Amino acid sequence: DVVMTQSPLSLPVTLGQPASISCRSSQSLVYSDGNTYLNWFQQRPGQSPRRLIYMVSNRDSGVPDRFSGSGSGTDFTLKISRVEAEDVGVYYCMQASHWPPITFGQGTRLEIK
Amino acid sequence: EVQLVESGGDLVQPGGSLRLSCAASGFTFSSYWTGWVRQAPGKGLEWVANIKEDGSQKYYVDSVKGRFTISRDNAKNSLYLQMNSLRAEDTAVYYCAREINCGHWGQGILVTVSS
Repeated sequence: DVVMTQSPLSLPVTLGQPASISCRSSQSLVYSDGNTYLNWFQQRPGQSPRRLIYMVSNRDSGVPDRFSGSGSGTDFTLKISRVEAEDVGVYYCMQASHWPPITFGQGTRLEIK
Repeated sequence: EVQLVESGGDLVQPGGSLRLSCAASGFTFSSYWTGWVRQAPGKGLEWVANIKEDGSQKYYVDSVKGRFTISRDNAKNSLYLQMNSLRAEDTAVYYCAREINCGHWGQGILVTVSS
């Protein structure tokens, strides 16, 4: 199974400041078709998860452009250019390149400092 | 608008059974892989099972193999999860999710396994 490791697990950020979350996989996430199926999700308190980024760097519809994804192989990053109050929640990376099973990172809790 | 609405959650005793349903609307249900993801109280996300568009392929996380069965009825735009031999560790909010890459999620339904 592919193990997804996120860091940090807790991320206090000042409003308006940038934030960065790292996600590392135990093996390369490049699939046989050449694509990398690494996704990022946001889960606000009391809500269902919502996908923000798919295939490493593609923003989903309606996702603010302050969110960006990057990386390749085994190392990936979610960046928020300027944190807003509505960004509070838990962020998860997920791989679907080598499944079953589909695997998630442990989650990173973003809070306002 | 894509909508996924779960139902069927309940309090059930260990060893019992439960069937979850997910009603899909706003898209062509028969054109998408669909699946279930769960979240134990205060914990992270865990993928449970996926089913191919036509139901011909099904995959499960090891911890539920032989106990849970995923199925779908494309004529009814519905996804199901039959859960047997339930254990305390199956207690979680269960989410229905569209696509292998989970592009859309339902609101979730709580399953509690306790005596």
